[in-house]
Amino acid sequence: EADIYQTPRYLVIGTGKKITLECSQTMGHDKMYWYQQDPGMELHLIHYSYGVNSTEKGDLSSESTVSRIRTEHFPLTLESARPSHTSQYLCASSAGSGPETQYFGPGTRLLVL
Amino acid sequence: ILNVEQSPQSLHVQEGDSTNFTCSFPSSNFYALHWYRWETAKSPEALFVMTLNGDEKKKGRISATLNTKEGYSYLYIKGSQPEDSATYLCAFTTSGTYKYIFGTGTRLKVLA
Repeated sequence: EADIYQTPRYLVIGTGKKITLECSQTMGHDKMYWYQQDPGMELHLIHYSYGVNSTEKGDLSSESTVSRIRTEHFPLTLESARPSHTSQYLCASSAGSGPETQYFGPGTRLLVL
Repeated sequence: ILNVEQSPQSLHVQEGDSTNFTCSFPSSNFYALHWYRWETAKSPEALFVMTLNGDEKKKGRISATLNTKEGYSYLYIKGSQPEDSATYLCAFTTSGTYKYIFGTGTRLKVLA
């Protein structure tokens, strides 16, 4: 079983609040990813990181921001939550430079009222 | 825009039936094709990663094949069991990037 953790698992919050979704992995993986998934839709990459102090935006535009100050930690922040941010957010990590498997966390289900 | 398509979207089978799903992906700039199983309330779990045309992988009752020239992969489950009920995702990566393009998945329900 992969050692990648996300908190909280579920979050209900009001519009305008600032939220941070936590993601940590203990595998020493350089690469980390955030995906967003709406029901019945694909996982869409919103952010990724190849290592400490490296972050890039993914293919799906997102108002969230990320940081990578430590290898094991890749938090995602929404400065002002809106109902359109309601979704499931999955964090993943991978190692190496080949076609490496991504290991996923259990996800955070976010509901913004 | 790169697109990965999976079919069928959902499937109900009886326990003991064998079944298969399809993943279609762009055949140009192919690097790897991944299959994941995603059970409700759990993390997606990697099943296979395939890189070569003609690759066949097997894990217990589950196997997968890959055709990179025509851009498809099949996932087979032999003798389905209720515990096989999950969403099966495929993801495609192109050479020169580490980004994964996911399909919407096939939701399998195995009825006891």
